[in-house]
This record gives sequence, C-alpha cells and structure tokens, in this order.
Amino acid sequence: KAGVTQTPRYLIKTRGQQVTLSCSPISGHRSVSWYQQTPGQGLQFLFEYFSETQRNKGNFPGRFSGRQFSNSRSEMNVSTLELGDSALYLCASKSTGGGSTYEQYFGPGTRLTVT
Amino acid sequence: AQSVTQLGSHVSVSEGALVLLRCNYSSSVPPYLFWYVQYPNQGLQLLLKYTSAATLVKGINGFEAEFKKSETSFHLTKPSAHMSDAAEYFCAVTSRSSASKIIFGSGTRLSIRP
Repeated sequence: KAGVTQTPRYLIKTRGQQVTLSCSPISGHRSVSWYQQTPGQGLQFLFEYFSETQRNKGNFPGRFSGRQFSNSRSEMNVSTLELGDSALYLCASKSTGGGSTYEQYFGPGTRLTVT
Repeated sequence: AQSVTQLGSHVSVSEGALVLLRCNYSSSVPPYLFWYVQYPNQGLQLLLKYTSAATLVKGINGFEAEFKKSETSFHLTKPSAHMSDAAEYFCAVTSRSSASKIIFGSGTRLSIRP
C-alpha cells in the first residue's frame, strides 16, 4: 500500500496570507489527524477527522481549520498567517477497522515558512 | 485522561553502547503504547507497538521495549547503538478505542558519539 502523502512538501508564504495543505491517507484509512511541529513547542495536535467529521480538536485558534472529503483525503487551512505559524505540518492516518491497534502512520510533512 | 512523560530531552551515547530511552505513561484504562522515530525533516515512523499480546515488544532496527504495568513504563532499548540511530524518538499512548486521540510525549533526541 502507498503511504501517507502530503502536498506540497515546502511552502513559503507572507504574513497575512492564507494557505491550504493537502493530505492523502493510506488506502482504507478513514481517520486523518494533523499536527504542528516546531522546535519550541514540539509536536502539537491540531485536529482529527473521521468520515468527514471533526472528531477531536487541539488547542489552536480558529485560524486553523480543516476538512475531510468522502475519499478520506483531508485539507488543512491556515488563514491570516503569522510568523509563528512557521512549522512542519504533519498528517497521519490510522485504521479504525476491526482488529486495528490504532497506530498512526505519518506523511513526510509540509514545511511552511512564513516571512 | 492519558499522558506520557519522556525523561530526558537529550540522550547521548557512544557507538556500540546500550541505548535506553525512558517513557512513563498514565492511563486509567488499558493502553496501547507506541514508539516512533523521526529523522530530520521527515515524518514520524513507527518503531514498535504494545497492544497487550506480549510485554516485551521487538521493533525495527534492533529496538525493543518492555511494558511494565507496575511501573507504568515503556522504556525503549537497543543493545548496541549505531550512528544511524541518531534521531528524535517519541513515545505515545492511546486507549483501545478508535475514537481516542494518540497522546505523544515531548520527544528525546538521541545523539551517538563515534
């Protein structure tokens, strides 16, 4: 099976702009989670989507939003970018079917730089 | 509620020496536990997982971890460190519910001295 893919891999944006990141999960995985990783704050959970519905949410401002499509692909949007949004954004999918042990499989990440 | 504590944000060992990365968890229900490894500018890769089948779990790259319920620990070990093991390691916990979040520790950076 193909792994989790994320596009684009690298992105440079200016403060005040908005950005959309995309994630395609492993085939058959219906749960997709997003994380922000920075040197100062480490790995922080943003939100999880399951069957097109947000199921869990981290402690991030409303500028961070996401959605999931019927094919389980997910997008994350950040509006009004701030310098502090510069980070590696990771997407992870997990199987939730019978017999699953719920480990997450991560994509390579999107490196966002805000200038 | 569940939580994970990784003792030591940075561990340095000599090549060929024992690697020991510590993880303690808190969970009110039987947990699933994981160790992940992250190389620079890459995503996290699953090293091994504990799902109650066996308390000593073997993973990839010669790593293993032992689940100790009495100590609420899940420490990661490798008998002989290799230069390629230099990376960041994350311990994580979740409950046996598909709807539960996975809680990650703050990570331990492993350095290998030649």
